[in-house]
Amino acid sequence: QKEVEQNSGPLSVPEGAIASLNCTYSDRVSQSFFWYRQYSGKSPELIMSIYSNGDKEDGRFTAQLNKASQYVSLLIRDSQPSDSATYLCAVNSEKLTFGTGTRLTIIP
Amino acid sequence: ETGVTQTPRHLVMGMTNKKSLKCEQHLGHNAMYWYKQSAKKPLELMFVYSLEERVENNSVPSRFSPECPNSSHLFLHLHTLQPEDSALYLCASSQGRGYEQFFGPGTRLTVL
Repeated sequence: QKEVEQNSGPLSVPEGAIASLNCTYSDRVSQSFFWYRQYSGKSPELIMSIYSNGDKEDGRFTAQLNKASQYVSLLIRDSQPSDSATYLCAVNSEKLTFGTGTRLTIIP
Repeated sequence: ETGVTQTPRHLVMGMTNKKSLKCEQHLGHNAMYWYKQSAKKPLELMFVYSLEERVENNSVPSRFSPECPNSSHLFLHLHTLQPEDSALYLCASSQGRGYEQFFGPGTRLTVL
């Protein structure tokens, strides 16, 4: 079983809609959770961090964490073409482990 | 300079060449990492240094040799590479192992 799992996509969402990206993890003692955005040919950029159950909002981005279900998600409201990228979920237990990423395409 | 910097940004080398990639972090972090990312593939963790000590080596071939002279600098020495080693090489740093990592812009390596 992979430690951090994401659907590889591609996930296509119309411009202006909500994009929902999901991530599950296997280590129950994980404490910190991160979302990175990676444009094609570029390096990953940290966009959200979440440490406790519930929602955390930052502009158009909302991270949701449910430790009981070992599930973390990222919602992007009012999706823009510039949001088209690969989104990486990263989970910390003893070390930071990355998922394989979900490729998101926003359709104008 | 701010954040994490990497040089060179692009590198083309032959299989018999020796070259080095350089990474420098200006964030006061204690841990540094080398990742490899091949086209359309996920990140592969290569090496981890914590307080200048190598703490992880993920079965990386010996033609890749890391060096961490201090907590701000990390090198990846390359020799007798293969064409399949062509990839984006990313350096990252973090406050400690398990904390969020900040990435440099990467070195796009092509081995001919």
